Amino acid sequence: KAGVTQTPRYLIKTRGQQVTLSCSPISGHRSVSWYQQTPGQGLQFLFEYFSETQRNKGNFPGRFSGRQFSNSRSEMNVSTLELGDSALYLCASSRIGDSSTDTQYFGPGTRLTVL
Amino acid sequence: GNSVTQMEGPVTLSEEAFLTINCTYTATGYPSLFWYVQYPGEGLQLLLKATKADDKGSNKGFEATYRKETTSFHLEKGSVQVSDSAVYFCALSGLYNFNKFYFGSGTKLNVKP
Repeated sequence: KAGVTQTPRYLIKTRGQQVTLSCSPISGHRSVSWYQQTPGQGLQFLFEYFSETQRNKGNFPGRFSGRQFSNSRSEMNVSTLELGDSALYLCASSRIGDSSTDTQYFGPGTRLTVL
Repeated sequence: GNSVTQMEGPVTLSEEAFLTINCTYTATGYPSLFWYVQYPGEGLQLLLKATKADDKGSNKGFEATYRKETTSFHLEKGSVQVSDSAVYFCALSGLYNFNKFYFGSGTKLNVKP
């Protein structure tokens, strides 16, 4: 069974640009979550989608947005990039998003560098 | 609010030594608790989990017990191997939080042959 895939794996952008990251969940998984990982702040939850609806979100500015398609694939977008957005962005998928019964599987991440 | 505190690293051990990585949490209600491991250049992998008080999660020789009275979920392994070198994250997720995980800062483990 294929794991969670994220594209691209590496990305370099400049301040002020926008970026779109993609995540393909494991087949049959309908919940997709996104996390930002930085050395200073650690792993922080961005948002979670299920059946094309955002069910939960973390404390990030509106420049961070996401969406989910009918095939459960998800994208996240960051507009007006800032230097502090440089991070590893991790996507995770699970069957229905119930952490007590599901297992959340993580992708390898997209490394975003903002210059 | 919800938060997780885990011991600072790095932790350096010799092969076959005993490992403990401390993790304590603050949460409302009755969270599920997790340990994830991250190898260099990879995403996180679930190591073990416990969903209610006194549950013991175990996998690959690692164990952790959900202690509600001390709000702790310490990770232990009786005999570490070089291949266990990685970063370990303790995490919690509240009931009906739809996979909104709160992670600790991570503890890097180095195991020397």
